[in-house]
Amino acid sequence: GENVEQHPSTLSVQEGDSAVIKCTYSDSASNYFPWYKQELGKRPQLIIDIRSNVGEKKDQRIAVTLNKTAKHFSLHITETQPEDSAVYFCAAMTPGTYKYIFGTGTRLKVLA
Amino acid sequence: NAGVTQTPKFRILKIGQSMTLQCAQDMNHNYMYWYRQDPGMGLKLIYYSVGAGITDKGEVPNGYNVSRSTTEDFPLRLELAAPSQTSVYFCASTTRTGRGGLNTEAFFGQGTRLTVV
Repeated sequence: GENVEQHPSTLSVQEGDSAVIKCTYSDSASNYFPWYKQELGKRPQLIIDIRSNVGEKKDQRIAVTLNKTAKHFSLHITETQPEDSAVYFCAAMTPGTYKYIFGTGTRLKVLA
Repeated sequence: NAGVTQTPKFRILKIGQSMTLQCAQDMNHNYMYWYRQDPGMGLKLIYYSVGAGITDKGEVPNGYNVSRSTTEDFPLRLELAAPSQTSVYFCASTTRTGRGGLNTEAFFGQGTRLTVV
């Protein structure tokens, strides 16, 4: 089955700097890759997603890139702000399995 | 717009007790999921369902059971609770859209924090 690895587990950046979180997946048939943000004590919420027919997607300060050949995808956050501090999860879904498999999460701290 | 609703929010169980975590969604989603999140860890899939009457095991199903008698409800049953089941449990639901049945965002409930002592 699908396996998703996520790095780093923790990341500290200065406010205004960029943050990059990377995930690799094992099943080359996976075609949907969402990213979720989970604030302390809250539920995970979608922040951006990408499908396998697209190499990059942007939404204001966040972007996701996908490299199907290498089977990895990354979350990029530019001009980080204190409110970006949270745990971020990547996930992958393989057609026909209907299962979201999540990475282990990255705790991002933005230092003011 | 309620979305995905989980009850209870908190529960303390004694070893060997049983309980049912409730999950309901009002978005007419076919796909529903149960995840557990251990402290400082990621989300592990327990069980999932692709429609009423259809359920399947995820990554960590041992010690749990589910049923899906309606589209709206997807309860998770813990039999003989053990300390290893201390965790936060999230229910989620999603649908597929478009002509190709594309996967879409999963919506999560607010979680149930369970402690087994």
